[in-house]
Amino acid sequence: GAGVSQSPSNKVTEKGKDVELRCDPISGHTALYWYRQSLGQGLEFLIYFQGNSAPDKSGLPSDRFSAERTGGSVSTLTIQRTQQEDSAVYLCASSLGASGSYEQYFGPGTRLTVT
Amino acid sequence: GEDVEQSLFLSVREGDSSVINCTYTDSSSTYLYWYKQEPGAGLQLLTYIFSNMDMKQDQRLTVLLNKKDKHLSLRIADTQTGDSAIYFCAESIRGNKLVFGAGTILRVKS
Repeated sequence: GAGVSQSPSNKVTEKGKDVELRCDPISGHTALYWYRQSLGQGLEFLIYFQGNSAPDKSGLPSDRFSAERTGGSVSTLTIQRTQQEDSAVYLCASSLGASGSYEQYFGPGTRLTVT
Repeated sequence: GEDVEQSLFLSVREGDSSVINCTYTDSSSTYLYWYKQEPGAGLQLLTYIFSNMDMKQDQRLTVLLNKKDKHLSLRIADTQTGDSAIYFCAESIRGNKLVFGAGTILRVKS
């Protein structure tokens, strides 16, 4: 079956521009997570959606970062006024439920480069 | 606070056992995980252990958990060149988000 997909796979943008990254979770998975992986910071949690509950935004590094999940499925991570320190691989994961017993399946990531 | 630490690099010979160590700080973590990341590939869950267990074995993988010392280890028996990758230890916080260590690069020499 289809896994978690993300688009684009690579994105190069100029400093100050806005970018949108997309995640398609596995069908039927109610929980969706965004992480980012960078050389300096390792793998960091950004935001988490579970069903219709309010998202856990505790990992978003600044108010330039926001995310939506429409219809309980596809999610978009938006970074406004990008900075060079935003360069990283942005990973999306989904799971059947929110408990730690449910495996999080990761997508291939979007590599963002801010020039 | 939430912090997971692991050694950065391990080199072993093919056929030897590999042991990757990890320490974590959140005593309320209910699940602890080992993920594998191969070059250019996504994160793959290798195994996980529930906090009320002290050992879990899955084929060539053995996970040991010392909850008192907040120490987790992953042993790979008969290490193969295909095991060369980055291994991440992670803990689940409040049942949902994962906090990852920096990753251990495992290099297997043939």
